[in-house]
Amino acid sequence: QKEVEQDPGPLSVPEGAIVSLNCTYSNSAFQYFMWYRQYSRKGPELLMYTYSSGNKEDGRFTAQVDKSSKYISLFIRDSQPSDSATYLCAMRRNTGFQKLVFGTGTRLLVSP
Amino acid sequence: EADIYQTPRYLVIGTGKKITLECSQTMGHDKMYWYQQDPGMELHLIHYSYGVNSTEKGDLSSESTVSRIRTEHFPLTLESARPSHTSQYLCASSGISSRGYTFGSGTRLTVV
Repeated sequence: QKEVEQDPGPLSVPEGAIVSLNCTYSNSAFQYFMWYRQYSRKGPELLMYTYSSGNKEDGRFTAQVDKSSKYISLFIRDSQPSDSATYLCAMRRNTGFQKLVFGTGTRLLVSP
Repeated sequence: EADIYQTPRYLVIGTGKKITLECSQTMGHDKMYWYQQDPGMELHLIHYSYGVNSTEKGDLSSESTVSRIRTEHFPLTLESARPSHTSQYLCASSGISSRGYTFGSGTRLTVV
């Protein structure tokens, strides 16, 4: 069983829609949770970063962490065609080597 | 603007050739990483380094080798390339105060 599960998509939505992207994980030791955005032929870039449970908002993006359910989400409001990319969740433990464990990524397509 | 640089961006090479993928960062990060990424698959850690003269193998078995003689430089070498090495290779770095990794744009390697 993979430590982090993520639906690969693709997820197709019209411009302006609210997008929900999700990951589940099995290791309860994970404390730091991240979302990366990866455009085609580019490296991933850090989009959101949260510690432990709770919500974090940054502009049109909201990250949620539910540690009791081992479930994290990324919401994108008023989605734009420029949001079309692959979104990868990543997480790591609080101690030891800062090794990130990644999901497979969800490909998002926002049509005008 | 990326502060971590990978060269070449694309490489097509014949079987049996020796290749070195370059990775340099200007952020003074102590930790550096090499990931392998195939379409629809999660990122797999193949090598990492805590600092100068420190290198470790990652989770995914790889026939490549790395070196860390200078803080800013973390090259990956394949002594004899094979078609099974065809993939995208991503270099990343992180520092003490980093929240996540900073990734380069990647090298897409094709071995024919």
